[in-house]
Amino acid sequence: QSALTQPPSASGSPGQSVTISCTGTSSDVGAYNYVSWYQQHPGKTPKVIIYEVTKRPSGVPDRFSGSKSGNTASLTVSGLRAEDEADYYCLAYAGSHNWVFGGGTKLTVL
Amino acid sequence: QVHLVQSGAEVKKPGASVKVSCKASGYTFSANYIQWVRQAPGQGLDYMGHVNPASGDTNYAQKFQGRVTMTWDASISTAYMELSGLTSDDTAVYFCARGTRHYLDYWGQGTPVTVSS
Repeated sequence: QSALTQPPSASGSPGQSVTISCTGTSSDVGAYNYVSWYQQHPGKTPKVIIYEVTKRPSGVPDRFSGSKSGNTASLTVSGLRAEDEADYYCLAYAGSHNWVFGGGTKLTVL
Repeated sequence: QVHLVQSGAEVKKPGASVKVSCKASGYTFSANYIQWVRQAPGQGLDYMGHVNPASGDTNYAQKFQGRVTMTWDASISTAYMELSGLTSDDTAVYFCARGTRHYLDYWGQGTPVTVSS
C-alpha cells in the first residue's frame, strides 16, 4: 500500500486560509468516506481534527474543515493562528482492514 | 476518560525483538480496535496494523508482515506489539491508538525504540 501524497510544506500569514491536499487512489481516498486528518506539534502525540472527511471532533475549532473530490481529500485551515503551526497528516481507509497515511505536511504560519 | 498508557523506552541490538505494551482504561476494551503506528526520527506516521479484541482478528501492513505480532490480554485491557529482526531502520517512536469508526481518536504517549549495536 503506497502512502498518500501530501505537499511537504504549506504556509500562510495569520488570518489567512490555507488548504492541504491528500491524494490517493480509487482504492482508498476515492473509495470510502473514511478520511481523517491529524495535527501533530513537535514532540507531541498526533490529535485527530477531522474524521469521515468532514466531521470535527468535539473541541476542534470550526476553523478546520475537510472535503473530498474524487481521489483527493483536502484540509482547510481558515483564520490561521500561530498555534496552527504543526505537521498535518491524512489517513484513509483502504479496504480489507487496511489504512494508509499521507506523508505529512509541515504548516508554517508566517 | 479514555487513556492509553504505553511501556517505557527500549534500546535493542540489531537482530533482537521488542515488545511494546499499551494499557487501556476508561472504556470497554473489546469495543474498539487497537491500532499501531510508528514514526521514525524526523519522518511521518507509518501505519503498522491493528488488533480487534472483540473478534481476535489482526491485520498487518504488508511491509511489516512476517516481523510483527499484535496480541492482547483482555483481562488487563492491554494490547501488545512485538517486532522482530530489528534493524537501525526500526528506530522510531511506536504509538498505539484506539480505532473508532475508521479513525484514531485516542493515542498512547508513544514508546521510543532505539536499535543500536
